Amino acid sequence: KAGVTQTPRYLIKTRGQQVTLSCSPISGHRSVSWYQQTPGQGLQFLFEYFSETQRNKGNFPGRFSGRQFSNSRSEMNVSTLELGDSALYLCASKQTVGDSQETQYFGPGTRLLVL
Amino acid sequence: DAKTTQPNSMESNEEEPVHLPCNHSTISGTDYIHWYRQLPSQGPEYVIHGLTSNVNNRMASLAIAEDRKSSTLILHRATLRDAAVYYCILRPTNNAGNMLTFGGGTRLMVKP
Repeated sequence: KAGVTQTPRYLIKTRGQQVTLSCSPISGHRSVSWYQQTPGQGLQFLFEYFSETQRNKGNFPGRFSGRQFSNSRSEMNVSTLELGDSALYLCASKQTVGDSQETQYFGPGTRLLVL
Repeated sequence: DAKTTQPNSMESNEEEPVHLPCNHSTISGTDYIHWYRQLPSQGPEYVIHGLTSNVNNRMASLAIAEDRKSSTLILHRATLRDAAVYYCILRPTNNAGNMLTFGGGTRLMVKP
């Protein structure tokens, strides 16, 4: 079974631009979450989707948004990019939303550099 | 969520056992203890989890203190491939969502 895939793997943008990152969960997984990883703040939760509905959101500004499609694939968007948005963006999937102890499977991440 | 405390870094020799400690003195009775690790240039991967009893799987063992205020991840024979950042995370039973609260983790270095 293929793992979580994220595209693109690397991205360079300039301040003020917007960016869309994509995540394809493991086949059969319906729950997708996104994390931002920076050297200063570590791994921080962005948001979580299940059945095309956002179920939980971390403490990030409204410039960060996401969505999930009917096939469980998810996208996240960052508008009006700032230098501080440079980070590794990780996507994780799991089968359900009801089991809090279920293993989450992470993708390799998209490394975004904002110049 | 209850907080965890881990050493910033640890060093081990290849093929020797490694004990990675985690303190969670404010753990509640329904919090599970999860461990994930992040290899260089990869996303985190699940290692093991437990509630009260010690747990073993093909990757590692988890030893949980009787008062549950600390736990130890045990790698029985460290290999170079085990060099990673190891995260100890508490998961409340009533948190049915995906959100994992990562701390700083422990960077394990394995010497050949």
